[in-house]
Amino acid sequence: GNSVTQMEGPVTLSEEAFLTINCTYTATGYPSLFWYVQYPGEGLQLLLKATKADDKGSNKGFEATYRKETTSFHLEKGSVQVSDSAVYFCALTLYNQGGKLIFGQGTELSVKP
Amino acid sequence: DAGVTQSPTHLIKTRGQQVTLRCSPISGHKSVSWYQQVLGQGPQFIFQYYEKEERGRGNFPDRFSARQFPNYSSELNVNALLLGDSALYLCASSPWDRGRGELFFGEGSRLTVL
Repeated sequence: GNSVTQMEGPVTLSEEAFLTINCTYTATGYPSLFWYVQYPGEGLQLLLKATKADDKGSNKGFEATYRKETTSFHLEKGSVQVSDSAVYFCALTLYNQGGKLIFGQGTELSVKP
Repeated sequence: DAGVTQSPTHLIKTRGQQVTLRCSPISGHKSVSWYQQVLGQGPQFIFQYYEKEERGRGNFPDRFSARQFPNYSSELNVNALLLGDSALYLCASSPWDRGRGELFFGEGSRLTVL
């Protein structure tokens, strides 16, 4: 079946540190890939997306590259801020499955000043 | 413009009761999806509706049902509540029928079943 696996959290970093959150997927077909973020007390928000192999999604200093050969979509940021503290979810969708998103279990990030 | 709004924000029920959760999508969005997020896990897909028709159903029992109204708002109903139904229920809207995955989420309705 289709699934998404993320690295376990919580991840604790100091401000200005480099961030990587690993995400791998299993899918029948050619999925579109997403990172969603859930800030404390807020709803899920789309952070970035990539719709085909080798695409790079980017937003707010975060980047992720769709790697078909390794079935991965790792999230990176060069210098994290305290305001980046949140739970990050990797997700996929397949065209023939409408609005259905399949999420990973989430990775909590805590950035300390 | 207002985002996706959900009500109630919090509610407590006892086992065996029934609950109705409500969602108003962003103006102009015709698709509404429902997700269940158990603490510490990622959201799980329950239903999608587009133009008042069911477009998808996740792996949930028949106790879960939903509908979409002519104004595109939606209700999620859960009958015969179990302790395991305790979760954050998320509603999401989008302008698209399928394939885009770019959903706009509300803040959720937190259901506690005692």
